Amino acid sequence: KAGVTQTPRYLIKTRGQQVTLSCSPISGHRSVSWYQQTPGQGLQFLFEYFSETQRNKGNFPGRFSGRQFSNSRSEMNVSTLELGDSALYLCASSPGRLGLGDTQYFGPGTRLTVL
Amino acid sequence: AQSVTQPDIHITVSEGASLELRCNYSYGATPYLFWYVQSPGQGLQLLLKYFSGDTLVQGIKGFEAEFKRSQSSFNLRKPSVHWSDAAEYFCAVLKTSYDKVIFGPGTSLSVIP
Repeated sequence: KAGVTQTPRYLIKTRGQQVTLSCSPISGHRSVSWYQQTPGQGLQFLFEYFSETQRNKGNFPGRFSGRQFSNSRSEMNVSTLELGDSALYLCASSPGRLGLGDTQYFGPGTRLTVL
Repeated sequence: AQSVTQPDIHITVSEGASLELRCNYSYGATPYLFWYVQSPGQGLQLLLKYFSGDTLVQGIKGFEAEFKRSQSSFNLRKPSVHWSDAAEYFCAVLKTSYDKVIFGPGTSLSVIP
């Protein structure tokens, strides 16, 4: 099976712009979770989507949003970018919802730089 | 409140030496615990996980971890480190009541040939 893919791998934006990141889960996986990784804050949970519904969300402002499509692919959107949004954004998929403890498989991440 | 702590920010070991990476958690209920490894420029890979049962868990790449409820710890061990083990290691806890995974700050491992 193909692994989790994320596009694009690298992105440069300026403050105030918005960005959309994409994640394609492993075939058959219905849960997609997003994480932000920065040197200062480490790995932080953003949100989880399962069967096209957001199940839970981390402590992030409303500028961070997402959605999941019927084929389980997910997109994450960040509006009005700030310098502090520069990070590695990781996507992970699992067969069942996060709360069941299914193994999460991570993609390589999208490196976002905000200038 | 920090739910997962990894006291060692960076560890350096010689190839062939044994390794122990520490992890402590704070969570009221029985936790689901994980260890992940991240190589430079890569995503995370699951090494092992603990949900219940035997407190000594075997994982991939020769790693094992021991859950100690009395110490709220889940330390990762490997008897003989290989140069390819140099990476960042993250301990994580799944808060089942909140459906969230909380990661520790990570421990960077360097291996001296």
